[in-house]
Amino acid sequence: QVQLVQSGAEVKKPGSSVKVSCKASGGTLDNYAISWVRQAPGQGLEWMGNVMAIFGTSNYAQKFQGRVTITADESTTTAYLELSGLRSDDTAVFYCATEFSTGIFDQWGQGTLVTVSS
Amino acid sequence: VMTQSPATLSVSPGEGATLSCRASQSVSSYLAWYQQRPGQAPRLLIYGASTRATGIPARFSGSGSGTEFTLTISSLQSEDFAVYYCQQYDNWPRTFGQGSKVEIK
Repeated sequence: QVQLVQSGAEVKKPGSSVKVSCKASGGTLDNYAISWVRQAPGQGLEWMGNVMAIFGTSNYAQKFQGRVTITADESTTTAYLELSGLRSDDTAVFYCATEFSTGIFDQWGQGTLVTVSS
Repeated sequence: VMTQSPATLSVSPGEGATLSCRASQSVSSYLAWYQQRPGQAPRLLIYGASTRATGIPARFSGSGSGTEFTLTISSLQSEDFAVYYCQQYDNWPRTFGQGSKVEIK
């Protein structure tokens, strides 16, 4: 079973960008889409988008269109989330998750806290 | 839009709990439930509205279709006190409910 390990916490300035990684171990990315889900402090879960590495295609929630880029590198079995134009309300924990079947998030990374502060 | 109720449910250990999730439009049976304990990532409990994920105890059960769904936890154990989210995957974007917290009474 694939396990997901995410990169460490980040502190960013408003207006900057952040790139979070998610490495899959114990398998390849061929069989999965990888989604990214955001959780602001004390809040619920919000799907941001996903990438299907085998096809090189990504889908994004309209809310994040233009600010988010989700990619995957099959050779390193790593997916990436890049979010630009950071604002204080982007402060959140970002999770990656595999989709064993479309839209069902079965394995989750441990989460990466991104703090946006001047 | 996915709407969950109640926001908070106070239950004694050993009792049962029923959580509801309503979709603003039909999502057929493309509905999943997740459990999130404090400081942890969410965990998949149920998909297809009623199919338990691998390793999920039988005390968790899901039902419903269309716009009305229920997660039932029979005989709550200490590790079951957590926040539960429903999520639809019939439409884009994938959307979650706001969560229901099950707390110890």
